[in-house]
Amino acid sequence: KQEVTQIPAALSVPEGENLVLNCSFTDSAIYNLQWFRQDPGKGLTSLLLIQSSQREQTSGRLNASLDKSSGRSTLYIAASQPGDSATYLCAVQDGSSNTGKLIFGQGTTLQVKP
Amino acid sequence: GAVVSQHPSRVICKSGTSVKIECRSLDFQATTMFWYRQFPKQSLMLMATSNEGSKATYEQGVEKDKFLINHASLTLSTLTVTSAHPEDSSFYICSASKNTDTQYFGPGTRLTVL
Repeated sequence: KQEVTQIPAALSVPEGENLVLNCSFTDSAIYNLQWFRQDPGKGLTSLLLIQSSQREQTSGRLNASLDKSSGRSTLYIAASQPGDSATYLCAVQDGSSNTGKLIFGQGTTLQVKP
Repeated sequence: GAVVSQHPSRVICKSGTSVKIECRSLDFQATTMFWYRQFPKQSLMLMATSNEGSKATYEQGVEKDKFLINHASLTLSTLTVTSAHPEDSSFYICSASKNTDTQYFGPGTRLTVL
């Protein structure tokens, strides 16, 4: 059974710092991996999607990497801003086919202090 | 971009009553919709997958007679929590997908059962 773990559970950094969020998964047979952002009491916003054949994706100040063989992904946030404060969720879509079923980690709650 | 709405955003009900939550894709046709629940400070857990015009597929441990899902059209899916109890209090989030590679999430519905 696929399990997704995110470390750390919470992180507080001063504005401007670069930071890395970690995600690990137990079964390397994934279809894709996504990073989401969730603001308190709100739904999810997709940040980056990495297909199983890809190594990384970039969007603005965000860069996500995927090492499928070791079951790891990282989300790198450059030059953090207070507006980046939110919970970041990692999710994998299991298996070799496109079922759409996502398995989520418990998230990393980020606070960026001005 | 693709927009998914949920209604209501918050609902408080008495124990034993039934509550219906709507999930709508506003500007695209969703062949598949997913329902998740999220307990405080925990991650999203997939409850069921629904395809338009067919019965929903429930995840292990989710009671299909308690959580009724109807996906009557390509833009609307409903989740009815029947005979709700306090332990059903949670944050329910839906997502809608055109091709299951990308899911667009609704803003969530906070259910409180007294």
